[in-house]
Amino acid sequence: EVQLVESGGGLVQPGRSLRLSCTGSGFTSGDYAMTWVRQAPGKGLEWVGLIKSKAYGETTQYAASVKGRFTISRDDSKNIAYLQMNSLKTEDTAVYYCTRGRSWGYFDYWGQGTLVTVSS
Amino acid sequence: DIVMTQSPHSLSVSLGERATINCKSSQSVLYSSNNQNYLAWYQQKPGQPPKLLIYWASTRESGVPDRFSGSGSETDFTLTISSLQAEDVAVYYCQQFYSTPYSFGQGTKLEIK
Repeated sequence: EVQLVESGGGLVQPGRSLRLSCTGSGFTSGDYAMTWVRQAPGKGLEWVGLIKSKAYGETTQYAASVKGRFTISRDDSKNIAYLQMNSLKTEDTAVYYCTRGRSWGYFDYWGQGTLVTVSS
Repeated sequence: DIVMTQSPHSLSVSLGERATINCKSSQSVLYSSNNQNYLAWYQQKPGQPPKLLIYWASTRESGVPDRFSGSGSETDFTLTISSLQAEDVAVYYCQQFYSTPYSFGQGTKLEIK
């Protein structure tokens, strides 16, 4: 059974950093692009960014709202994808979902999400 | 960037009736080389992550009931639930994966009348 489990969320002050992890099981994560999607409280879904598989050079792409502040990486030996978030802003407050990307761009499995709250 | 616009924002439908949700993209998401529309639909129930329903605009994901169907091409798409069941109460999102930044519609909240 395919599972994705996010961890690392919590309360953080504006300007600080946080790293989220996404641990996959039941599949070989190295074969897939991994994507982060976030959802602010009571709002819709926002694509954050992706990292392609090693076969595609582990290329990363980001939403304009996070580019230069967030970095996605992966460790396929551990089946983990990471979201490093720096210079956090209050508007980054959201549930962050890790997803498995099929054909890179649509998401067939989602984690349960981890809540990141940016507040002083 | 491609902007996705859904209508209506909310919808009330009686049990057993048809529900129709529309999604419009600001530019075509049809890739001419493979004649595929890079459009997906998701269902999100309260307190849960989204669930993939439809991809390539009209291909139902494995395990999704056949009362769910997707149609449309280029810039105009529709998700149809042929006979609404109580468990279909949710927010529905369309998403384009034609080009990054990938983008979602704002969501349509479906309720029972």
